[in-house]
Amino acid sequence: DAGVTQSPTHLIKTRGQHVTLRCSPISGHKSVSWYQQVLGQGPQFIFQYYEKEERGRGNFPDRFSARQFPNYSSELNVNALLLGDSALYLCASSYSYEQYFGPGTRLTVT
Amino acid sequence: AQKVTQAQTEISVVEKEDVTLDCVYETRDTTYYLFWYKQPPSGELVFLIRRNSFDEQNEISGRYSWNFQKSTSSFNFTITASQVVDSAVYFCALGGMTTDSWGKFQFGAGTQVVVTP
Repeated sequence: DAGVTQSPTHLIKTRGQHVTLRCSPISGHKSVSWYQQVLGQGPQFIFQYYEKEERGRGNFPDRFSARQFPNYSSELNVNALLLGDSALYLCASSYSYEQYFGPGTRLTVT
Repeated sequence: AQKVTQAQTEISVVEKEDVTLDCVYETRDTTYYLFWYKQPPSGELVFLIRRNSFDEQNEISGRYSWNFQKSTSSFNFTITASQVVDSAVYFCALGGMTTDSWGKFQFGAGTQVVVTP
């Protein structure tokens, strides 16, 4: 079975632009969580979606938004990009308590 | 609030030595899960082990073993007879057990393990 997939792998954006990151969960997993990992730090929780509804939101500004589609795939959107948004964005899918992570999208904001 | 502390920033060992990674956590939840993940240079987080809060039995799985002590809120992880392929960043994570809390992990800052031949 395929694991969690994320696209794109790498992305370079300019300050002020908007970005959309995509995630496809493991088949059968209805929950998707998003994390931001700044270089040298642990992942920080951004959002969790379960059955297309937001289940939780971390301490991130309103510039960050997400949604989950009927096929359980998910998008993370970030508006008005700042240099500090440069990070590895990880998506995790879960059926229950364990989370399985994708390879991440490395976003660079210049 | 939940918090996970990994005090060791980096550990360097020679191949075949044992490596023990420390993790201390804080939570107000009475039931929870603890995890260890490995992050190689490729960036993908790889699940290693899970322990629930009501089972303090320590286990061994291959070269991995863990020591969970609820009284001290510690969840330490040991790699026995380390190998070069064990070189990675290791993260301790705390997750909820209720339907409202699982899926929102609190991670520590990570410990870089460097194994040299």
